Amino acid sequence: NAGVTQTPKFRVLKTGQSMTLLCAQDMNHEYMYWYRQDPGMGLRLIHYSVGEGTTAKGEVPDGYNVSRLKKQNFLLGLESAAPSQTSVYFCASSHQRGGLETQYFGPGTRLLVL
Amino acid sequence: AQTVTQSQPEMSVQEAETVTLSCTYDTSENNYYLFWYKQPPSRQMILVIRQEAYKQQNATENRFSVNFQKAAKSFSLKISDSQLGDTAMYFCAFMKHGRDDKIIFGKGTRLHILP
Repeated sequence: NAGVTQTPKFRVLKTGQSMTLLCAQDMNHEYMYWYRQDPGMGLRLIHYSVGEGTTAKGEVPDGYNVSRLKKQNFLLGLESAAPSQTSVYFCASSHQRGGLETQYFGPGTRLLVL
Repeated sequence: AQTVTQSQPEMSVQEAETVTLSCTYDTSENNYYLFWYKQPPSRQMILVIRQEAYKQQNATENRFSVNFQKAAKSFSLKISDSQLGDTAMYFCAFMKHGRDDKIIFGKGTRLHILP
């Protein structure tokens, strides 16, 4: 099992450019999440999905869109990147709710917006 | 809304010592879960320990244990016999039980284990 993988590992964008971050998991998990991690801010939830075809907003959804067309993939899109979106992005997945299963995290994607 | 507070941005201890990381949270929920995650320099988030709020017994995982005080809304992590490999960022996290499965993280504590 590869677990949770993220593509790309690192990306530099210019303000106004768009891009898509891909998260893939091979554990057949229902739940998937996108977080951003900023210095001094900890992890903040952007969007999440409780199953294929469903998405929901987290704490900081503005400026991002997501799609979950396939159970194993969760895409995070930036339509018009802004310097405030410079961050490290983590994807996570879990099998079921609550404490019965943990969230498995990907290795992160570092994004720099100039 | 739930909040998680870690009041120690950074700590340093000598190898083999015991260290306690603090975490407090605020919620009106009665059923929830609490977690401690470790993030080493490799950036991968690793679950250290979790506690279910309805369980009074403190969770323990090898050298890691928690002191869960539900009434005080406190969830501290104790690392015994600390090792160099314990050097990392540690995040306290909260998840309420129910349809909403969002995890709320604290800002983290950077822990340095000194040789």
